[in-house]
Amino acid sequence: DGGITQSPKYLFRKEGQNVTLSCEQNLNHDAMYWYRQDPGQGLRLIYYSQIVNDFQKGDIAEGYSVSREKKESFPLTVTSAQKNPTAFYLCASSLAGEDTQYFGPGTRLTVL
Amino acid sequence: GENVEQHPSTLSVQEGDSAVIKCTYSDSASNYFPWYKQELGKGPQLIIDIRSNVGEKKDQRIAVTLNKTAKHFSLHITETQPEDSAVYFCAVYSYGKLTFGQGTILTVHP
Repeated sequence: DGGITQSPKYLFRKEGQNVTLSCEQNLNHDAMYWYRQDPGQGLRLIYYSQIVNDFQKGDIAEGYSVSREKKESFPLTVTSAQKNPTAFYLCASSLAGEDTQYFGPGTRLTVL
Repeated sequence: GENVEQHPSTLSVQEGDSAVIKCTYSDSASNYFPWYKQELGKGPQLIIDIRSNVGEKKDQRIAVTLNKTAKHFSLHITETQPEDSAVYFCAVYSYGKLTFGQGTILTVHP
């Protein structure tokens, strides 16, 4: 069963703690993306990676960090420097050089 | 960067009616325009897309039209059903990135 998995579905953390969101894909896609979604708003790009061991900042990278050590995995860390981390986080992937992106089911992060 | 405006923000229709959602964009170099459907608590699902060399594309009850000169494109849903109720997002691809509209909440009343 191919696709993109994100875990956990719901995540609660205390203010000031770092938290890492998981994204795994078995589609053999080269590129992976992280978006943030807030109520009533569109998706905003946090980070993206076109190839293993390389990634670029998106439009709202401050307070976030990523790694891309394996083609299948692109974890996102929400650091304590992110001022308003509560949001719905979406991971996506695409083939190299392709414009079509496919999304995972999302992780809802709530910082208490 | 690219700027995408989506209207309306909410749309309420009766079952069987048609629904139209419009998006405008700013970068004339943009060449790929997907539409996503997002159900509550789930990730967006690609429902239809169009490229800049095509003016219209249809897939059963949904269609997308593109006017490159005016820099706008629209999603058309005919014979709407209650299961079409969701949030719909347009997006525009340029310079390696997708930029999304703000979303339209579509409600189809039985």
